[in-house]
Formats: sequence, structure tokens, C-alpha cells
Amino acid sequence: ILNVEQSPQSLHVQEGDSTNFTCSFPSSNFYALHWYRWETAKSPEALFVMTLNGDEKKKGRISATLNTKEGYSYLYIKGSQPEDSATYLCASPNTGFQKLVFGTGTRLLVSP
Amino acid sequence: GAVVSQHPSWVICKSGTSVKIECRSLDFQATTMFWYRQFPKKSLMLMATSNEGSKATYEQGVEKDKFLINHASLTLSTLTVTSAHPEDSSFYICSARPYRDRGLTNEKLFFGSGTQLSVL
Repeated sequence: ILNVEQSPQSLHVQEGDSTNFTCSFPSSNFYALHWYRWETAKSPEALFVMTLNGDEKKKGRISATLNTKEGYSYLYIKGSQPEDSATYLCASPNTGFQKLVFGTGTRLLVSP
Repeated sequence: GAVVSQHPSWVICKSGTSVKIECRSLDFQATTMFWYRQFPKKSLMLMATSNEGSKATYEQGVEKDKFLINHASLTLSTLTVTSAHPEDSSFYICSARPYRDRGLTNEKLFFGSGTQLSVL
């Protein structure tokens, strides 16, 4: 059974701080790693889909790295802003590629 | 980007009634839609996968007679919670992907905004 874990569960930073959090997944039978941002009362929005070991993707102040051999991905936010406050979810497809298994998310709060 | 509309956002109902939740893809054809359920502080748990024009595939432990899923068109899937009881109170959210034949190795999902169901 694919198990995706995220840490920390929640994070509170000040505006301007840089932060990062972790997604862990089984390194065997890895296919892809998805990151989503989920703001309160809105729809989860895809940030990145990563497949290659060592891959690094960037979208504005947000970037992510992937280590498939050790089974983790980091999400970094540089210079956090209040609008970055959201829950960040990671997910990985199951063996058949047909469904995503999600972590419990990291809830980020950025105070002005 | 692709938009998925989910309604209602929240619903309160009496025990024993049925509740229908709609999920529509507004600007693309969703050949596959997924329905998830989330309990507080828990991860999104897949309930079922529905492909347009065919019966939904339910995850282990999900009662298909309790959670009726219909995906009759390429832009609409519905989840009906039949004879709802307090233990069905939860957050339900749908997601869609446009291409049936691609796996999720490279393709992101598009989500609705979810429905909070409270059964009294």
C-alpha cells in the first residue's frame, strides 16, 4: 500500500521568511510526485508534477526538488507572503497510474 | 486553466435523506472524474473513479449502494449520498482529468472546491 507522508503538519512563519516542508514516499516503484496548493474555500491547484530523480521545478517564489532514490521531495517558498497561506498537498500515483495517493498536507500560515 | 465547478459548497440535511453533489468541468471534457472524502486532519481518501459512460470503480470499503456515482456526460459527474446518516458527515471533493489514456505520471488533476456535508 502506497503511503505518502508530509511534515510538518502545520507551520507559522512571518512575512519575508523562507520556509520549506517535506513529502516522503516509498522509493521503490516510484512514478511521479504531485504538489498542490489548497487555499481555504478554493479548489486545490496543481503546482508541480515531477518524475525524474534530481528534478527541480520553480514557479515564482516556490520551488520543489525531488529525490526518488531516498523517497522525498522538498517544497521551498522564498520570502513568504500572506497570500502563500494555504495547505500544500503532495501526492503520488499508485502502481497502475490511475489514482493519486495524497499526504495529509502541510498547513502554512504567513503572518504580515 | 481548466475549471471544475462543484455544488453545493455545503449542505445540512436530516438523517435519512439523500444528498446529491454535482461536479462539472466547465471548459474541458473530463473523461475521468475522481471522488474523494476527507475527515478532519486526514488526507484525501479516494472513494471512487468514474469514467464517462461506464460504471464507477469503487475503492475497497466504499459502499456503492450508499454512494451513487453517475458520470453520464463528459462534463458532469454526480455523487449521491443515499439515506445519509451522521457518520456520513464529511468533506467531499471531486477532481477531473481530461485524458482517459494517460496515467498520472505527468498529468495534473483539476479539482472542485469541495462540499461540506453535515447530517443531523
